[in-house]
Amino acid sequence: QEQLKESGPGLVKPSETLSLTCTVSGDSVRSSNYYWNWIRQPPGEGLEWVGFVSHTGSTTYNPSLRSRVTMSLDTSRDQFSLKLTSVTAADTAIYYCARGDSLSGMFDVWGQGSLVTVSS
Amino acid sequence: EIVLTQSPATLSLSPGQRATLSCRASQIIMNNYLAWYQQKPGQAPRLLIFEASNRATGIPVRFSGSGSGTDFTLTISSLEPGDVAIYYCQQRSNWPWRFTFGPGTKVDI
Repeated sequence: QEQLKESGPGLVKPSETLSLTCTVSGDSVRSSNYYWNWIRQPPGEGLEWVGFVSHTGSTTYNPSLRSRVTMSLDTSRDQFSLKLTSVTAADTAIYYCARGDSLSGMFDVWGQGSLVTVSS
Repeated sequence: EIVLTQSPATLSLSPGQRATLSCRASQIIMNNYLAWYQQKPGQAPRLLIFEASNRATGIPVRFSGSGSGTDFTLTISSLEPGDVAIYYCQQRSNWPWRFTFGPGTKVDI
């Protein structure tokens, strides 16, 4: 059964870089059937798509975050990662990694989420 | 960017009642690439419906989706206490892909 799990620091200082990794099990990030997403949710608020990395390593980001986001793929470890630079309190959120289906646009497998707080 | 609007914001019903949740898009969603998710407190979202009307694996038949173009509906035919959650719709635009979520409908029982 496919599972995704986020890992990374739970606390980041303002102006620094947020870094998270998602480990995929029961599946391969090399599959062309899927793309690998980050989605975030500020406490008590709705969901915001951050971006995705494809099985080839190509990326597409939310235009509102594009200048600060970098995503990458590690096929040897079946992991993908997120870096968000120059963070502020507004970036405090639960960050989910999620598998996206290439055909239908749905997110069919989600990680449990990782709360990242931006605070000094 | 396609903006999704959901109504009502909150729906308070009794067990056994029918819940009808609406999702309206600011532009036509091509190929009906519209999905619905259920998020219970403290949990990650769970996929319920994809391509507007297809139930995801393991989803009970009392959850159904319908609609096309700009207007979509999620129906829960007979509410159970375990259905208390926030329900989000989500779309994918044409290439370059962009994904947006609606603000959610909270279902209380």
